[in-house]
Amino acid sequence: EDKVVQSPLSLVVHEGDTVTLNCSYEVTNFRSLLWYKQEKKAPTFLFMLTSSGIEKKSGRLSSILDKKELFSILNITATQTGDSAVYLCAHQIQGAQKLVFGQGTRLTINP
Amino acid sequence: GAVVSQHPSWVICKSGTSVKIECRSLDFQATTMFWYRQFPKQSLMLMATSNEGSKATYEQGVEKDKFLINHASLTLSTLTVTSAHPEDSSFYICSASPTSGRNEQFFGPGTRLTVL
Repeated sequence: EDKVVQSPLSLVVHEGDTVTLNCSYEVTNFRSLLWYKQEKKAPTFLFMLTSSGIEKKSGRLSSILDKKELFSILNITATQTGDSAVYLCAHQIQGAQKLVFGQGTRLTINP
Repeated sequence: GAVVSQHPSWVICKSGTSVKIECRSLDFQATTMFWYRQFPKQSLMLMATSNEGSKATYEQGVEKDKFLINHASLTLSTLTVTSAHPEDSSFYICSASPTSGRNEQFFGPGTRLTVL
C-alpha cells in the first residue's frame, strides 16, 4: 500500500533557527512528490519534485528529492513566526492525479 | 488565477439531516475535482475523485451512499453528507485540477461541518 511518512510530527524552534522536515514514501509507481503549507484553512502549494537531486528554492524555503532512498526534505532557513504551520508532504502516482498525504509536521516558531 | 471556492465555509446541523457542500473553480475549468476530509490534528484523507459527467471514484472505506458526489459541470462539484451524524463532523476540503492538463491541484478554503 502506498504511504507517506513525515517526521518529526511536531517541532518547536526559535525565530531565526533553521529547520529540516522529512518525508519518506513508499509508492508503487512514483510520479511526483509535493509539499504544502497549511495554516488555518486549505493547504497552499510550495513545491513539486519529480527528479532526484535537483533542489527547488523559493526564498527561505528549499526542497530536494532522493528517488533512490525514497525521501524528500524541506528546509526553512532563518525561520519567522509566520512560518508556523503544518507542513504536508504528498505523493502522486503515475496515471493518477490523486494525492496521498503524510501526517504532516506541525512547526511552531517562537519569537 | 486558479482560485477554488467552497460554500458554505462553516455549517452546523442536527443529526439525521443532510448537508450539501459546493466546490467551484472560479477562473478555470476542472474535469477532475477531489474531496478530502481532515479530522483535528490529522492529515488530509482523500475521500473520492469526482469526474465531470461521470460517477465519482470512492476510496476504500468511504460509503458512496452516505457521501454523494455530483460533478455536473466543469466548474462545480458538490458533496452531500446524507443523514449526518456527530462522527461526520470534520473539515471537508476540495481541490480542483485544471482541464488544461497541468498536473496541479488547487485547494478550496474548506468547509467545517459540525453535526450536533
